[in-house]
Amino acid sequence: GEDVEQSLFLSVREGDSSVINCTYTDSSSTYLYWYKQEPGAGLQLLTYIFSNMDMKQDQRLTVLLNKKDKHLSLRIADTQTGDSAIYFCAESPLGGQNFVFGPGTRLSVLP
Amino acid sequence: DTGVSQNPRHKITKRGQNVTFRCDPISEHNRLYWYRQTLGQGPEFLTYFQNEAQLEKSRLLSDRFSAERPKGSFSTLEIQRTEQGDSAMYLCASPGQGSYNEQFFGPGTRLTVL
Repeated sequence: GEDVEQSLFLSVREGDSSVINCTYTDSSSTYLYWYKQEPGAGLQLLTYIFSNMDMKQDQRLTVLLNKKDKHLSLRIADTQTGDSAIYFCAESPLGGQNFVFGPGTRLSVLP
Repeated sequence: DTGVSQNPRHKITKRGQNVTFRCDPISEHNRLYWYRQTLGQGPEFLTYFQNEAQLEKSRLLSDRFSAERPKGSFSTLEIQRTEQGDSAMYLCASPGQGSYNEQFFGPGTRLTVL
């Protein structure tokens, strides 16, 4: 079955880069996504990457995909205190409608 | 604001009671998804509708759970004879306008079963 794993915690200093990692098992996934969840708020779609790409950049966000190792990462440049949140990696299996989410990585940004 | 609304935002109930949640998805989208998120976990898929047809149900959806989507617009999720283990955030999602199979989530209904 599908499984998505993430490290649970990450702390960085304000202004540094953050790298959040994710591994997944379903090699048929067509798209992979990053969502952000702030305390008491819903899930916000940050970015996505198609499975035939290996990198996507969107302002301060860079997504890297290593399809061979089934490894996805999200890099946040110049991390700000407003980036403190839980970040979820999700995959969309081929032919399926449901997303499979990781457990989330709690990012703490220290001043 | 994703355009997906859910009501109520919070529900506290006693064990054994029935509860019903409502989701109003982004209009003009024929697909609608329900997920459950427990504390410290990512969302887990419950069920999915295409118009009024419920096409997929996860094994998490026990027979105490029922979902409907009359007329293919809003959807309701009912839990009968609630148990403490049902305490969670129940999330509804709707596809977006893009072509990358994205899902946009509502704010969720937080259920607490005492």
